[in-house]
Amino acid sequence: ETAVFQTPNYHVTQVGNEVSFNCKQTLGHDTMYWYKQDSKKLLKIMFSYNNKQLIVNETVPRRFSPQSSDKAHLNLRIKSVEPEDSAVYLCASSYWGGEDTQYFGPGTRLLVL
Amino acid sequence: GNSVTQMQGQVTLSEEEFLFINCTYSTTGYPTLFWYVQYPGEGPQLLLKVTTANNKGSSRGFEATYDKGTTSFHLQKASVQESDSAVYYCVLGYNQGKLIFGQGTKLSIKP
Repeated sequence: ETAVFQTPNYHVTQVGNEVSFNCKQTLGHDTMYWYKQDSKKLLKIMFSYNNKQLIVNETVPRRFSPQSSDKAHLNLRIKSVEPEDSAVYLCASSYWGGEDTQYFGPGTRLLVL
Repeated sequence: GNSVTQMQGQVTLSEEEFLFINCTYSTTGYPTLFWYVQYPGEGPQLLLKVTTANNKGSSRGFEATYDKGTTSFHLQKASVQESDSAVYYCVLGYNQGKLIFGQGTKLSIKP
């Protein structure tokens, strides 16, 4: 099956803990992204990687760091979570270029207590 | 700067009614405009893509029209079904693969 896969589906943690989310795509794309979707369903890009190189790094807190081992994998680590980090984190992939369709995974829902 | 605005946060229709969702955008370049749809529990998926070259797009009974003069972009469907219940996003695409999502319009269909 060719798609974008994310794990875990759901994660509950406490303030100050470290969390890590995984994303893998089997579509053969060379670019991957992380988006944050808040409780009002607003989606904003956080990072994008092209062939393991960071291309876009929007203004996100430094506790967020993307990690890429190869062009099919892009993980997201949050060093010390805050309550405002509660959201759905969506991974996407595409071929390089602003006009290409991005394919999204189902998301990881994070709840920070 | 680049921005996208969807004023309709929620739309409720009965089956077979006409759907119209409007979107305005601001950009200094030559964007590609998309409509993405998100069903509950899933990530967004592409519904339509429109470039400045063709001004219109259609898919699954939905039609999108792009008016560069008024910098507006709208989505319409002649007859909605219950299965169309979802959140619809107007999206601006520009350099380096960046997508700017509108606020989203939640479509609810009364059976």
